[in-house]
Amino acid sequence: EADIYQTPRYLVIGTGKKITLECSQTMGHDKMYWYQQDPGMELHLIHYSYGVNSTEKGDLSSESTVSRIRTEHFPLTLESARPSHTSQYLCASSPRQGAGDTEAFFGQGTRLTVV
Amino acid sequence: AQKVTQAQTEISVVEKEDVTLDCVYETRDTTYYLFWYKQPPSGELVFLIRRNSFDEQNEISGRYSWNFQKSTSSFNFTITASQVVDSAVYFCALLSYNQGGKLIFGQGTELSVKP
Repeated sequence: EADIYQTPRYLVIGTGKKITLECSQTMGHDKMYWYQQDPGMELHLIHYSYGVNSTEKGDLSSESTVSRIRTEHFPLTLESARPSHTSQYLCASSPRQGAGDTEAFFGQGTRLTVV
Repeated sequence: AQKVTQAQTEISVVEKEDVTLDCVYETRDTTYYLFWYKQPPSGELVFLIRRNSFDEQNEISGRYSWNFQKSTSSFNFTITASQVVDSAVYFCALLSYNQGGKLIFGQGTELSVKP
């Protein structure tokens, strides 16, 4: 069983609020990812990180920001939530290249609803 | 550029039928990894299999089998004697380190197995 955790699982919040979605992993993985998944199923990469102090934007433009101050922690922040941010957000981690297995492990996701 | 295409958006079968989920990928790299993930209604992504670009050997695990063909850039997934519990969305994914090490997903195929 993968040791990657996301909180909260569900969040309903009003427009304009600042929110932080938490993601933590205990596997010592260097790489971490955030994906956004709408009801249409497709997973879009919005942020990723190769390690501490490394963050990159993904293929889908997002108004969210991320930080990677510690290896195990990769929080995602929305400064001012809007209804268009309503979606499921999935966090994942994987080892760096050359570290053996390469598959990513996923958290259970955060279902965000902005009203 | 990297791309993963799952042309089948939805598939519906009756229990005990065999079903194949198609995956076609694009990458310029010679070293890459391919994955299949399952997403049940609960929402989490479950890792099923990993293949690296140097290993074209097909794999069978119980009722699941995978056919990797570099010549056609395909990595298809077959479920034999499908069961209702196989109902889920299945994602094919590509990790190509020389393209920034991003893990990208196909659009997903929603499989419905009816009793």
